[in-house]
Amino acid sequence: EPEVTQTPSHQVTQMGQEVILHCVPISNHLYFYWYRQILGQKVEFLVSFYNNEISEKSEIFDDQFSVERPDGSNFTLKIRSTKLEDSAMYFCASRGGTHNEQFFGPGTRLTVL
Amino acid sequence: QKEVEQNSGPLSVPEGAIASLNCTYSDRGSQSFFWYRQYSGKSPELIMFIYSNGDKEDGRFTAQLNKASQYVSLLIRDSQPSDSATYLCAGPNQAGTALIFGKGTTLSVSS
Repeated sequence: EPEVTQTPSHQVTQMGQEVILHCVPISNHLYFYWYRQILGQKVEFLVSFYNNEISEKSEIFDDQFSVERPDGSNFTLKIRSTKLEDSAMYFCASRGGTHNEQFFGPGTRLTVL
Repeated sequence: QKEVEQNSGPLSVPEGAIASLNCTYSDRGSQSFFWYRQYSGKSPELIMFIYSNGDKEDGRFTAQLNKASQYVSLLIRDSQPSDSATYLCAGPNQAGTALIFGKGTTLSVSS
Protein backbone atom coordinates (compact mmCIF):
# COMPACT_ATOMS: atom_id res chain seq x y z
CA GLU A 1 0.00 0.00 0.00
CA PRO A 2 1.44 3.40 -0.95
CA GLU A 3 2.38 5.68 1.93
CA VAL A 4 3.80 9.09 2.66
CA THR A 5 7.44 9.02 3.76
CA GLN A 6 9.39 11.65 5.68
CA THR A 7 13.04 12.21 6.49
CA PRO A 8 14.73 12.65 8.83
CA SER A 9 12.75 11.07 11.65
CA HIS A 10 14.46 13.33 14.17
CA GLN A 11 16.32 16.60 13.61
CA VAL A 12 18.17 18.49 16.31
CA THR A 13 19.31 22.01 15.54
CA GLN A 14 20.55 25.14 17.23
CA MET A 15 18.32 28.19 17.49
CA GLY A 16 18.78 30.44 14.46
CA GLN A 17 19.82 27.62 12.12
CA GLU A 18 17.97 26.66 8.97
CA VAL A 19 16.35 23.25 8.66
CA ILE A 20 14.79 21.47 5.72
CA LEU A 21 12.30 18.68 6.29
CA HIS A 22 11.70 16.22 3.49
CA CYS A 23 8.57 14.40 2.38
CA VAL A 24 7.65 12.08 -0.45
CA PRO A 25 3.86 12.17 -0.89
CA ILE A 26 1.81 9.31 -2.31
CA SER A 27 2.61 9.27 -6.02
CA ASN A 28 -0.80 9.91 -7.59
CA HIS A 29 -1.88 12.55 -5.06
CA LEU A 30 -2.02 16.18 -6.12
CA TYR A 31 -2.52 18.07 -2.85
CA PHE A 32 0.19 18.19 -0.21
CA TYR A 33 0.17 19.56 3.29
CA TRP A 34 2.37 20.31 6.26
CA TYR A 35 0.97 20.15 9.77
CA ARG A 36 2.73 20.41 13.10
CA GLN A 37 1.97 19.13 16.59
CA ILE A 38 3.63 20.65 19.61
CA LEU A 39 3.94 18.10 22.40
CA GLY A 40 0.59 17.61 24.14
CA GLN A 41 -1.28 19.94 21.79
CA LYS A 42 -3.53 19.74 18.74
CA VAL A 43 -2.39 18.95 15.24
CA GLU A 44 -2.23 22.35 13.50
CA PHE A 45 -2.37 23.13 9.79
CA LEU A 46 0.58 25.02 8.35
CA VAL A 47 0.30 25.07 4.57
CA SER A 48 -1.27 23.36 1.57
CA PHE A 49 0.30 23.05 -1.87
CA TYR A 50 -1.28 22.30 -5.22
CA ASN A 51 -0.13 22.64 -8.80
CA ASN A 52 3.32 23.83 -7.74
CA GLU A 53 2.13 26.68 -5.59
CA ILE A 54 0.83 27.39 -2.11
CA SER A 55 -2.94 27.15 -2.11
CA GLU A 56 -3.49 28.11 1.50
CA LYS A 57 -1.43 28.93 4.57
CA SER A 58 -2.23 29.43 8.22
CA GLU A 59 -1.14 32.34 10.37
CA ILE A 60 1.58 30.09 11.81
CA PHE A 61 3.21 29.90 8.36
CA ASP A 62 5.06 33.22 8.47
CA ASP A 63 8.03 34.46 6.46
CA GLN A 64 10.36 32.04 8.25
CA PHE A 65 8.67 29.12 6.53
CA SER A 66 8.74 28.09 2.90
CA VAL A 67 7.76 25.03 0.90
CA GLU A 68 9.06 23.65 -2.34
CA ARG A 69 8.50 20.77 -4.69
CA PRO A 70 11.99 20.55 -6.19
CA ASP A 71 11.21 17.56 -8.41
CA GLY A 72 8.36 15.23 -9.25
CA SER A 73 8.42 13.35 -5.97
CA ASN A 74 9.80 15.43 -3.10
CA PHE A 75 8.04 18.10 -1.05
CA THR A 76 10.06 20.10 1.44
CA LEU A 77 9.43 22.45 4.34
CA LYS A 78 12.18 24.95 5.14
CA ILE A 79 12.41 26.92 8.36
CA ARG A 80 14.91 29.72 7.80
CA SER A 81 15.88 30.69 11.32
CA THR A 82 14.59 28.25 13.89
CA LYS A 83 13.23 29.36 17.25
CA LEU A 84 12.79 27.34 20.41
CA GLU A 85 9.03 27.37 19.88
CA ASP A 86 9.44 25.62 16.51
CA SER A 87 10.19 22.41 18.42
CA ALA A 88 7.39 20.05 17.42
CA MET A 89 6.47 17.04 15.31
CA TYR A 90 6.07 18.04 11.69
CA PHE A 91 3.76 15.91 9.60
CA CYS A 92 3.50 15.85 5.85
CA ALA A 93 0.19 14.70 4.38
CA SER A 94 -1.10 14.09 0.91
CA ARG A 95 -4.66 14.04 -0.24
CA GLY A 96 -6.47 11.59 -2.46
CA GLY A 97 -10.08 10.68 -2.94
CA THR A 98 -13.09 12.91 -3.26
CA HIS A 99 -13.66 13.67 0.42
CA ASN A 100 -10.42 15.38 1.38
CA GLU A 101 -8.99 12.18 2.78
CA GLN A 102 -5.53 13.05 3.96
CA PHE A 103 -2.87 10.48 4.68
CA PHE A 104 -0.07 11.41 7.03
CA GLY A 105 3.59 10.52 6.97
CA PRO A 106 5.39 9.27 10.09
CA GLY A 107 6.59 12.76 11.00
CA THR A 108 9.86 14.51 11.74
CA ARG A 109 10.55 15.41 15.34
CA LEU A 110 12.29 18.80 15.32
CA THR A 111 14.15 19.80 18.46
CA VAL A 112 15.53 23.34 18.62
CA LEU A 113 18.13 23.93 21.32
CA GLN B 1 -13.19 30.58 13.18
CA LYS B 2 -14.20 26.94 12.82
CA GLU B 3 -13.64 24.72 15.80
CA VAL B 4 -13.73 21.02 16.55
CA GLU B 5 -14.17 20.04 20.19
CA GLN B 6 -13.50 16.73 21.90
CA ASN B 7 -13.48 15.58 25.49
CA SER B 8 -9.83 14.78 26.17
CA GLY B 9 -10.66 11.87 28.48
CA PRO B 10 -9.15 9.53 29.39
CA LEU B 11 -11.92 7.15 28.48
CA SER B 12 -11.38 3.77 30.08
CA VAL B 13 -13.27 0.66 28.96
CA PRO B 14 -12.73 -3.04 29.62
CA GLU B 15 -11.73 -5.36 26.80
CA GLY B 16 -14.74 -6.42 24.74
CA ALA B 17 -16.83 -3.36 25.63
CA ILE B 18 -18.07 -0.62 23.30
CA ALA B 19 -16.08 2.62 23.38
CA SER B 20 -17.97 5.76 22.41
CA LEU B 21 -16.02 8.83 21.36
CA ASN B 22 -17.68 12.16 20.70
CA CYS B 23 -16.92 15.34 18.82
CA THR B 24 -18.79 18.59 18.17
CA TYR B 25 -18.08 21.18 15.54
CA SER B 26 -18.92 24.83 15.18
CA ASP B 27 -19.72 25.23 11.48
CA ARG B 28 -23.09 23.95 10.36
CA GLY B 29 -21.90 24.02 6.74
CA SER B 30 -19.11 21.48 7.24
CA GLN B 31 -19.61 18.41 5.07
CA SER B 32 -17.02 15.74 5.83
CA PHE B 33 -15.50 14.51 9.05
CA PHE B 34 -12.60 12.26 9.74
CA TRP B 35 -11.49 10.06 12.59
CA TYR B 36 -7.79 9.48 13.05
CA ARG B 37 -6.06 7.22 15.54
CA GLN B 38 -2.77 8.39 16.98
CA TYR B 39 -0.54 6.15 19.05
CA SER B 40 1.86 7.91 21.38
CA GLY B 41 4.75 9.42 19.44
CA LYS B 42 3.30 8.39 16.09
CA SER B 43 1.45 10.12 13.29
CA PRO B 44 -2.33 10.29 12.80
CA GLU B 45 -3.71 7.26 10.98
CA LEU B 46 -7.00 7.66 9.12
CA ILE B 47 -9.55 5.11 10.30
CA MET B 48 -12.86 6.48 8.99
CA PHE B 49 -14.51 9.38 7.29
CA ILE B 50 -18.19 10.30 7.09
CA TYR B 51 -20.03 12.90 5.06
CA SER B 52 -23.68 11.87 5.21
CA ASN B 53 -26.08 12.07 8.13
CA GLY B 54 -26.48 8.74 9.82
CA ASP B 55 -24.16 5.83 10.43
CA LYS B 56 -21.24 4.39 8.53
CA GLU B 57 -19.82 1.05 9.56
CA ASP B 58 -16.39 -0.43 8.84
CA GLY B 59 -15.56 -3.60 10.74
CA ARG B 60 -15.61 -2.87 14.46
CA PHE B 61 -15.89 0.89 13.86
CA THR B 62 -19.07 2.91 13.33
CA ALA B 63 -19.02 6.62 12.65
CA GLN B 64 -22.17 8.65 13.24
CA LEU B 65 -22.90 12.13 11.93
CA ASN B 66 -25.76 14.38 13.01
CA LYS B 67 -25.51 17.63 11.06
CA ALA B 68 -28.49 19.24 12.80
CA SER B 69 -26.79 18.79 16.18
CA GLN B 70 -23.29 19.36 14.75
CA TYR B 71 -22.15 16.17 16.35
CA VAL B 72 -19.90 13.33 15.19
CA SER B 73 -19.18 10.15 17.08
CA LEU B 74 -17.09 7.02 16.74
CA LEU B 75 -18.12 3.71 18.27
CA ILE B 76 -15.58 0.93 18.66
CA ARG B 77 -17.19 -2.45 19.28
CA ASP B 78 -15.38 -5.34 20.99
CA SER B 79 -12.63 -2.98 22.15
CA GLN B 80 -9.14 -4.48 22.27
CA PRO B 81 -6.07 -3.34 24.24
CA SER B 82 -4.49 -2.49 20.87
CA ASP B 83 -7.23 0.14 20.42
CA SER B 84 -5.66 2.12 23.28
CA ALA B 85 -4.64 5.37 21.60
CA THR B 86 -5.73 8.97 21.15
CA TYR B 87 -8.58 9.42 18.70
CA LEU B 88 -8.63 12.67 16.75
CA CYS B 89 -11.73 14.12 15.17
CA ALA B 90 -11.12 16.43 12.20
CA GLY B 91 -13.26 18.58 9.97
CA PRO B 92 -12.65 21.00 7.10
CA ASN B 93 -11.18 24.42 7.72
CA GLN B 94 -12.66 27.67 6.42
CA ALA B 95 -11.44 27.10 2.86
CA GLY B 96 -12.54 23.48 3.00
CA THR B 97 -9.23 21.95 1.93
CA ALA B 98 -7.16 21.58 5.09
CA LEU B 99 -8.24 19.92 8.32
CA ILE B 100 -8.97 21.33 11.75
CA PHE B 101 -8.33 18.81 14.49
CA GLY B 102 -9.79 18.42 17.93
CA LYS B 103 -7.46 17.87 20.87
CA GLY B 104 -8.22 14.17 20.78
CA THR B 105 -9.74 11.71 23.24
CA THR B 106 -7.41 9.24 24.90
CA LEU B 107 -8.88 5.74 25.04
CA SER B 108 -7.54 3.09 27.38
CA VAL B 109 -8.76 -0.50 26.96
CA SER B 110 -7.91 -2.77 29.87
CA SER B 111 -7.54 -6.53 29.51
